[in-house]
Amino acid sequence: DTAVSQTPKYLVTQMGNDKSIKCEQNLGHDTMYWYKQDSKKFLKIMFSYNNKELIINETVPNRFSPKSPDKAHLNLHINSLELGDSAVYFCASSHQGTSGYYEQYFGPGTRLTVT
Amino acid sequence: GEDVEQSLFLSVREGDSSVINCTYTDSSSTYLYWYKQEPGAGLQLLTYIFSNMDMKQDQRLTVLLNKKDKHLSLRIADTQTGDSAIYFCAERRSSGTYKYIFGTGTRLKVLA
Repeated sequence: DTAVSQTPKYLVTQMGNDKSIKCEQNLGHDTMYWYKQDSKKFLKIMFSYNNKELIINETVPNRFSPKSPDKAHLNLHINSLELGDSAVYFCASSHQGTSGYYEQYFGPGTRLTVT
Repeated sequence: GEDVEQSLFLSVREGDSSVINCTYTDSSSTYLYWYKQEPGAGLQLLTYIFSNMDMKQDQRLTVLLNKKDKHLSLRIADTQTGDSAIYFCAERRSSGTYKYIFGTGTRLKVLA
């Protein structure tokens, strides 16, 4: 049972190209996120959508554009890729559980390498 | 600032206890979490603690919370080689955009 899935797992591309990463969750969660993890393993939030509405938009170059066609999907499109975009991108989803606490689950990550 | 601080490395012997520490930033954060990341994998939610709790135990894991000092710790009893991973603490902000802020990660190495 895949909870949060991402495609592709690996993406190698050249500078200047445009690429997309897709994310799907089958948990029925209302909120989805994109995070970037750099080579030092620091994890930074980029975007968050709640019920298809953008609620978090951190200081991210406007070459990055998220799109949420429905609650279960959140895609990330990157234009004019740069060397510094090389990182692992994680999708996550969250909701408020029955016990009242908020739980967040992560996808397996997409390792983007820009050459 | 927004930084959630953790020490970068911890090395323990198999069978010993590990204690991973975290200092978070927002005293109003209501939920605090511990995640585990194994090489090449995503983050796995291990446990959480609500801000009105001081301690939570879950099998080999014990979470301690000192709200006054904004200090969170994760104790792993009887540490095994399979526990070798990077451990992240995270806080869920309770105001504004309710975003999750992750710590810098602690790389735990368990020696056989």
